[in-house]
Amino acid sequence: SAVISQKPSRDICQRGTSLTIQCQVDSQVTMMFWYRQQPGQSLTLIATANQGSEATYESGFVIDKFPISRPNLTFSTLTVSNMSPEDSSIYLCSVWTEETQYFGPGTRLLVL
Amino acid sequence: DAKTTQPTSMDCAEGRAANLPCNHSTISGNEYVYWYRQIHSQGPQYIIHGLKNNETNEMASLIITEDRKSSTLILPHATLRDTAVYYCIGAYSGAGSYQLTFGKGTKLSVIP
Repeated sequence: SAVISQKPSRDICQRGTSLTIQCQVDSQVTMMFWYRQQPGQSLTLIATANQGSEATYESGFVIDKFPISRPNLTFSTLTVSNMSPEDSSIYLCSVWTEETQYFGPGTRLLVL
Repeated sequence: DAKTTQPTSMDCAEGRAANLPCNHSTISGNEYVYWYRQIHSQGPQYIIHGLKNNETNEMASLIITEDRKSSTLILPHATLRDTAVYYCIGAYSGAGSYQLTFGKGTKLSVIP
């Protein structure tokens, strides 16, 4: 299994500002995934982050809005830039270990 | 990922077995059936997965039909803490670079 931690666990931010979310895994993994879960909705993949290369973004998500860093095999950050109330969501990081995908506890973001 | 169909919601009496069905008639031969659950505002929790054979672990049992077109997740003695949204996902396993796609899931309410 994999133990994943995220910081911060929650935050309240003003529109127009940016927030960087950190994800730490207890083992080395090739790829990490960032998801968003808007209120009352299911999970939506934002991007896939591979160590040493640029992240791959899903349709509807762009690097300028959600820049991602992946400096090593156990850590990644997701920045939510120029925030608006529509960015209020739970942001989750995730990794594969063996045959299973594991998720972090999530970062709950409220944008006012 | 194979398309899956689950009931929107289900109720279960505390202490009784909860049987959550899932249809996945288009699942391919190499796709596993994964089950996750999400307790309110937390990250998804892995429960169990299987390919062809029935599987059991400390959390639940997974019964997959012989034609693999449907499956049932069984929580043998439901408790109030099992109240959550349960997701059934058909996906390839162990690729390391493959992310799971979440649908709307089944909202299970365990009633005292």
